[in-house]
Amino acid sequence: GQSLEQPSEVTAVEGAIVQINCTYQTSGFYGLSWYQQHDGGAPTFLSYNALDGLEETGRFSSFLSRSDSYGYLLLQELQMKDSASYFCAVRGGSARQLTFGSGTQLTVLP
Amino acid sequence: NAGVTQTPKFQVLKTGQSMTLQCAQDMNHNSMYWYRQDPGMGLRLIYYSASEGTTDKGEVPNGYNVSRLNKREFSLRLESAAPSQTSVYFCASSETSGRTDTQYFGPGTRLTVL
Repeated sequence: GQSLEQPSEVTAVEGAIVQINCTYQTSGFYGLSWYQQHDGGAPTFLSYNALDGLEETGRFSSFLSRSDSYGYLLLQELQMKDSASYFCAVRGGSARQLTFGSGTQLTVLP
Repeated sequence: NAGVTQTPKFQVLKTGQSMTLQCAQDMNHNSMYWYRQDPGMGLRLIYYSASEGTTDKGEVPNGYNVSRLNKREFSLRLESAAPSQTSVYFCASSETSGRTDTQYFGPGTRLTVL
């Protein structure tokens, strides 16, 4: 099977930088994704890494190290609206299914 | 372009009742999914359909059935609802290539089983 670990909560102040880590276990790795979910809302796609390195999309960046089975989401210039849950998800296994982590609740303080 | 739509948005059932959750997408995606999300948890895959005419079990399929009616529509049926099925249900469709793996989610159905 597949499993992921990420911190349950992170708190930071407006304007700061925060990093949310994710470690995973899977057989047959295809990619690591990140999703954002506001309270009461649906998950929305943020970023995807299939190869090692950094992917940048505006204020958000995502990093992957396949040899370490590790990735992180970096959020810069934090804004209040970034307060949400962030999920990492790994695609892998024989069925190439997407498995989600339990999520990290990010709270941005003024 | 509505993306992924789901009906109903809210539903309350009594134990043993049945219902069907509807999902449709207008992005011409081949793959569609049903997830459930319990409070404070991630999403767990119930069933998925890689293409029209095919369905496969996910992590938590027991108590559910699905139908891929056509390329646009993917429904989830609870034949005999149980309190353990109280959850938020999300439908998703996806485009997957070497460069992207993006799932587009519907707004969710909040189901309570009494």
